[in-house]
Amino acid sequence: KNEVEQSPQNLTAQEGEFITINCSYSVGISALHWLQQHPGGGIVSLFMLSSGKKKHGRLIATINIQEKHSSLHITASHPRDSAVYICAVIRTGNQFYFGTGTSLTVIP
Amino acid sequence: KAGVTQTPRYLIKTRGQQVTLSCSPISGHRSVSWYQQTPGQGLQFLFEYFSETQRNKGNFPGRFSGRQFSNSRSEMNVSTLELGDSALYLCASSIGTGLDGYTFGSGTRLTVV
Repeated sequence: KNEVEQSPQNLTAQEGEFITINCSYSVGISALHWLQQHPGGGIVSLFMLSSGKKKHGRLIATINIQEKHSSLHITASHPRDSAVYICAVIRTGNQFYFGTGTSLTVIP
Repeated sequence: KAGVTQTPRYLIKTRGQQVTLSCSPISGHRSVSWYQQTPGQGLQFLFEYFSETQRNKGNFPGRFSGRQFSNSRSEMNVSTLELGDSALYLCASSIGTGLDGYTFGSGTRLTVV
């Protein structure tokens, strides 16, 4: 069993829709990252969370430490949001565990 | 400020050869971590270096090794290459507290033939 589970694996949305990607983990963590990877490989760290909620533009990330669950929300989705979104948890000692990613396609 | 620089971007090697990849972190960042990404296994953590010392290691065979220099630049070496080592190798740098943000490089795509 993977320590980090993401859902859904694939997501297609119409431009303007509200999108939610979920991440559940089974280990104790010190922090959680949401990463974005565009075709070509480059990864951008969107958020690092250890509690609560963070917002950056149209992106919102929340984490519930007790329930071992995090969500990434995209409001007013746009075709440029099309990418793979990866949840990564950091265990004590800076060990990263990655989810398998959610492939998002936003159709104009 | 300059981002994380990985060289080379692309590399083709033959089975049995060895390869060295380089990662230059953001100025002031003392931690460099390495990751392997393959279609089958996704992203996996290789190891992390902080102040020239390996601080953490993932579950990879001893053929995968690394080092970090006094200027925080890091190299990763893979010896006796296997076809399964074909992957995108990413590095990320951070200040090194463990709770600061990570900045990723664009990766080195290694193909083993």
